[in-house]
Amino acid sequence: SFVLTQPPSVSVAPAKTARITCGADNIGSYTVHWYQQKPGQAPVLVVNDDSDRPSGIPERFSGSNSGNTATLTISEVEAGDEADYYCHVWDSLSDQGIFGGGTKLTVL
Amino acid sequence: EVQLVESGGGLVQPGGSLRLSCVASGFDFSSYYMTWVRQAPGKGLEWVANIKQDGSEKYYVDSVKGRFTISRDNAKNSLYLQMNSLRAEDTAIYSCARDGYYDKEEALDYWGQGTLVTVSS
Repeated sequence: SFVLTQPPSVSVAPAKTARITCGADNIGSYTVHWYQQKPGQAPVLVVNDDSDRPSGIPERFSGSNSGNTATLTISEVEAGDEADYYCHVWDSLSDQGIFGGGTKLTVL
Repeated sequence: EVQLVESGGGLVQPGGSLRLSCVASGFDFSSYYMTWVRQAPGKGLEWVANIKQDGSEKYYVDSVKGRFTISRDNAKNSLYLQMNSLRAEDTAIYSCARDGYYDKEEALDYWGQGTLVTVSS
């Protein structure tokens, strides 16, 4: 089955750039979405369709997808960005949605 | 304002059944795919099932096939998840989410807060 691999944790200093990866065989041929989830809250869509940003999401959030890796990039990281981040694709071979295991972003 | 409100969770014994509901407001419910996602305590998100606008297509994660049934009532702006033969590993917060307008590959752009299902004797 199709598996999305994310690093369990990423740490970054304030004002620096955080990069969270989502790996899978030929993920570049899939459409990837990213969600932010803070403790006790519902997930929030931060990037859709590989690199589009929904209304209300800061420009600091961006996405890319090529080859075997999709990446969520958060520039000028703020303390409020500390959260769990999940990638998500639709697997047309199995006709199922797939989430990555999630990455906990810690702002130092 | 888009709102999704789940209900129907609770404590159920292994092998039991439960029916979850999700009432939508603030958008044209009948125009969107809808999805159920669950999250076990302290764990990550798991996609469970989704349903096409008219209910003609339904998709499930392998672990719930044959046990769970997703359905919708567009006249009531409601999404349902009938869960049978429940197992301890089904324990999770179940959330509904608005899926695509055009197809099922789109992002989940609005989520409910979820309802907790606990399977335990």
